[in-house]
Amino acid sequence: AQRVTQPEKLLSVFKGAPVELKCNYSYSGSPELFWYVQYSRQRLQLLLRHISRESIKGFTADLNKGETSFHLKKPFAQEEDSAMYYCALSGFGNEKLTFGTGTRLTIIP
Amino acid sequence: EAGVTQFPSHSVIEKGQTVTLRCDPISGHDNLYWYRRVMGKEIKFLLHFVKESKQDESGMPNNRFLAERTGGTYSTLKVQPAELEDSGVYFCASSLPGSEKLFFGSGTQLSVL
Repeated sequence: AQRVTQPEKLLSVFKGAPVELKCNYSYSGSPELFWYVQYSRQRLQLLLRHISRESIKGFTADLNKGETSFHLKKPFAQEEDSAMYYCALSGFGNEKLTFGTGTRLTIIP
Repeated sequence: EAGVTQFPSHSVIEKGQTVTLRCDPISGHDNLYWYRRVMGKEIKFLLHFVKESKQDESGMPNNRFLAERTGGTYSTLKVQPAELEDSGVYFCASSLPGSEKLFFGSGTQLSVL
């Protein structure tokens, strides 16, 4: 069975400080990992995916298969980063997403 | 370009009543998904359409839930009869064929009293 765990429901970080949102997963095959974000009064939207190896809005995430993790990081938090962040997984050839419970990130000015 | 549209945005009904949620995907998106977030829990997959066909309905909770996508355009999700545990936010998402990028609607907040 596939499962995504986000251990922190709430995370508060001062503006300018580094941010790390944790995500661990369990999946028997080769997973595809994603981070989705929902800003206040906006829709859930894709932030980044591991296969693209991209940096979006200063965020990066590295898939660590040994630790089964896909933590989201940003070196310097900005106020506009305050949002709900969801880690998600899909199996190879299976488009269904399995989401974590989400982490609400608050950036303190 | 219009995004994924869901209607209604909120619905408050009594236990035992019927509710129908509607989703209009982005034009040209063959893939259409329904997800649900129950208070305090994760967003859970309900089902996946490819055009008008149900590709995967493994997440549908029980036979009180019926999803349709006649003609492969918009989709409806009917709950009949509604129970208290059906309360939550129902999200619809769509994507292009072969694309991993899902575009989500704003969701329908369903409250069953």
